[in-house]
Amino acid sequence: NAGVTQTPKFRVLKTGQSMTLLCAQDMNHEYMYWYRQDPGMGLRLIHYSVGEGTTAKGEVPDGYNVSRLKKQNFLLGLESAAPSQTSVYFCASRDLRETQYFGPGTRLLVL
Amino acid sequence: KNEVEQSPQNLTAQEGEFITINCSYSVGISALHWLQQHPGGGIVSLFMLSSGKKKHGRLIATINIQEKHSSLHITASHPRDSAVYICAVRSRQVDFGNEKLTFGTGTRLTIIP
Repeated sequence: NAGVTQTPKFRVLKTGQSMTLLCAQDMNHEYMYWYRQDPGMGLRLIHYSVGEGTTAKGEVPDGYNVSRLKKQNFLLGLESAAPSQTSVYFCASRDLRETQYFGPGTRLLVL
Repeated sequence: KNEVEQSPQNLTAQEGEFITINCSYSVGISALHWLQQHPGGGIVSLFMLSSGKKKHGRLIATINIQEKHSSLHITASHPRDSAVYICAVRSRQVDFGNEKLTFGTGTRLTIIP
């Protein structure tokens, strides 16, 4: 069991570039989440999914899009990166008991 | 005022000491989580509480719903307990399909050998 994996681990982008962060889980969880973690702030929910083919906006969705074409994968896209999107991004899934399982994080720097 | 406040922000203690980390929240909740973020960045779920007390090894988590307060205790602390401990609550108000957790900013714990 790999749990929750994220790729890439680290990325540097220039303003205006696009990229996709991939999250994969092998626990057959329905619920998956994308968070961002910024210094001095708690984790904040960007988007989430309650099952294959579904996505929904969280509290800070602007500038991001997501897709959940397969149950095990949850993709986070940045269409036109901005310096304000410099952050550490965590993917998570949860089981029916509400236990959260986090990926190792992706550190993104937008210049 | 943040919905979730943790105290202290930083805590340094000697190995073997009894540790208490506090979490206060301002909204009605359906669940409270304690998480551990390792120095390398990985986040692990420790407890999910809706009432009472839970224990796992040297870790004990308690919650007082009336006082809107939870504590995480570590007995016989060890340098490997050094990490950031994060409290998160699920509000009873249904935001974002009830899937939103509100996270505290964490308590950085350092245990000195």
